[in-house]
Amino acid sequence: KAGVTQTPRYLIKTRGQQVTLSCSPISGHRSVSWYQQTPGQGLQFLFEYFSETQRNKGNFPGRFSGRQFSNSRSEMNVSTLELGDSALYLCASKRGEDTGELFFGEGSRLTVL
Amino acid sequence: GQQLNQSPQSMFIQEGEDVSMNCTSSSIFNTWLWYKQDPGEGPVLLIALYKAGELTSNGRLTAQFGITRKDSFLNISASIPSDVGIYFCAGLRSGTYKYIFGTGTRLKVLA
Repeated sequence: KAGVTQTPRYLIKTRGQQVTLSCSPISGHRSVSWYQQTPGQGLQFLFEYFSETQRNKGNFPGRFSGRQFSNSRSEMNVSTLELGDSALYLCASKRGEDTGELFFGEGSRLTVL
Repeated sequence: GQQLNQSPQSMFIQEGEDVSMNCTSSSIFNTWLWYKQDPGEGPVLLIALYKAGELTSNGRLTAQFGITRKDSFLNISASIPSDVGIYFCAGLRSGTYKYIFGTGTRLKVLA
């Protein structure tokens, strides 16, 4: 079956711009979570959605936002980009509401110049 | 953000050797996951653990859910060059919805 699909895989933006990243979870999975990965900070939790509701949010500024659609697809948006936002953004999905196996996509590599 | 303590941070081993790494926390978890990540790619799920004391294998990999529910262990037997990568643990506390990740163990295998 198809895995978690993230688009775009690579993108370059300049400071002050905004970016939208997309994630299509595995079919049947209703939970989608987003993570930022940088060499110095490891995997940092951004937010998690289940059935279109944001249930958890990490310690990121309000410039980072997300949403989930009725088909479980999710998007995250970063406005007013800063150099420090350069990172690999990973999306993960799981079937259930609580515990369960978490599957990651390949990630979207964002470079801010 | 919150992260789990994972050790060792990195290790060089000879091909054919066994590898052990662990993840510890001060909190109790009800699920442990182990991942491998290659450069530029997303983490790939290796093993999932759901019960204290549970021992689960996936080929040459074996992981255990610690009895105290505050730790987990991953062993790789007879390592090969393609085992190179970063291994992450992830834990989920009961009643929460977000997994917490370990700091990663970078494995390098010398042929």
